[in-house]
Amino acid sequence: GQSLEQPSEVTAVEGAIVQINCTYQTSGFYGLSWYQQHDGGAPTFLSYNGLDGLEETGRFSSFLSRSDSYGYLLLQELQMKDSASYFCAVRDDNQGGKLIFGQGTELSVKP
Amino acid sequence: KAGVTQTPRYLIKTRGQQVTLSCSPISGHRSVSWYQQTPGQGLQFLFEYFSETQRNKGNFPGRFSGRQFSNSRSEMNVSTLELGDSALYLCASSPDRGREKLFFGSGTQLSVL
Repeated sequence: GQSLEQPSEVTAVEGAIVQINCTYQTSGFYGLSWYQQHDGGAPTFLSYNGLDGLEETGRFSSFLSRSDSYGYLLLQELQMKDSASYFCAVRDDNQGGKLIFGQGTELSVKP
Repeated sequence: KAGVTQTPRYLIKTRGQQVTLSCSPISGHRSVSWYQQTPGQGLQFLFEYFSETQRNKGNFPGRFSGRQFSNSRSEMNVSTLELGDSALYLCASSPDRGREKLFFGSGTQLSVL
């Protein structure tokens, strides 16, 4: 089957750099995406890193190791508004191309 | 360009009833996916539609169904509601099937009493 694992919570201070990890297990792999969701809001796309390229947004960048089935999202110059939930997602090409999401990591940015 | 629009924003139903949720994708987007989000369960994939055809279905009972119209608008229906169906239902669109960058709506918060 498919599974993604992320830490449930991460805490960091304003201005710092934080890394949110994601390990995945899928029968087929195409790419790893990241989304941000504030409480009660719509998830918004942050980054994609995969077989067909890389897309990143603003202060958010991503790393991928296909050999280790592992990736992370890097957030630089943390701001209070970055406090949110962050989800990694993989498209399992052997499962009809479903986009499967992790359980999410809640990031708390402290002053 | 208008974003993904989901209606209604909030819904309260009782057990045994049925409900229909609506999603209007971004203009020009032909792929629509639906997700169920509950605390502690993350986003669970429900279905994906592309050009009026269901391309993928998640592991949900047959009470959950959906469709897509020729204008790419989509609806999902849940029949015989159960308490456990209380969740935020999110719709996302993308220009083509298989594209990684999804655009989500704000969701429909369904409460089943």
